Amino acid sequence: NAGVMQNPRHLVRRRGQEARLRCSPMKGHSHVYWYRQLPEEGLKFMVYLQKENIIDESGMPKERFSAEFPKEGPSILRIQQVVRGDSAAYFCASSQSQGAVHEQYFGPGTRLTVT
Amino acid sequence: DAKTTQPNSMESNEEEPVHLPCNHSTISGTDYIHWYRQLPSQGPEYVIHGLTSNVNNRMASLAIAEDRKSSTLILHRATLRDAAVYYCILTNSGYALNFGKGTSLLVTP
Repeated sequence: NAGVMQNPRHLVRRRGQEARLRCSPMKGHSHVYWYRQLPEEGLKFMVYLQKENIIDESGMPKERFSAEFPKEGPSILRIQQVVRGDSAAYFCASSQSQGAVHEQYFGPGTRLTVT
Repeated sequence: DAKTTQPNSMESNEEEPVHLPCNHSTISGTDYIHWYRQLPSQGPEYVIHGLTSNVNNRMASLAIAEDRKSSTLILHRATLRDAAVYYCILTNSGYALNFGKGTSLLVTP
């Protein structure tokens, strides 16, 4: 059973360009979470999605960032007009169900560098 | 979710047991205690979780104080592959995990 897959693993964008990060959850998992990790810091929650629905986006910046998890295909985290401060590792996680008793399975991350 | 306090770093010898402490004095009755670890350049990996009773799995043991204000992750025989940052996380929602700074575990041969 394949784990959580993320692509690309590394992404370089110039300031002002768009970044699209993809996440395929584990088979059978319908809950997806995105986190961001700045250098030398712990992960920060960004958004929680179920198929076709955003459940909680309280950790996501209001501007330039958006996320979706369509009925078919991977979840996408989109960052428009990237700035240097967006440089970070972005991790996706998935779970079979939601609740404090359920663990999350994380992907290897996408490392975004903005030049 | 309530906050946790962990030592910044710990060191252990290979094949020795390791006890990683976590203080969570403001824990609420519905908070679960989760532990994750992150190896260098990888995504976090679930280790173990519990509510009130001690828990064991193939990776580790979790000892929870009777008043639940602290807990200890126990690695029974540390290996070089256990060198990682270990995060103690409280959650009652299960999804917006708050990864603080964690404890960086160094394992020496």
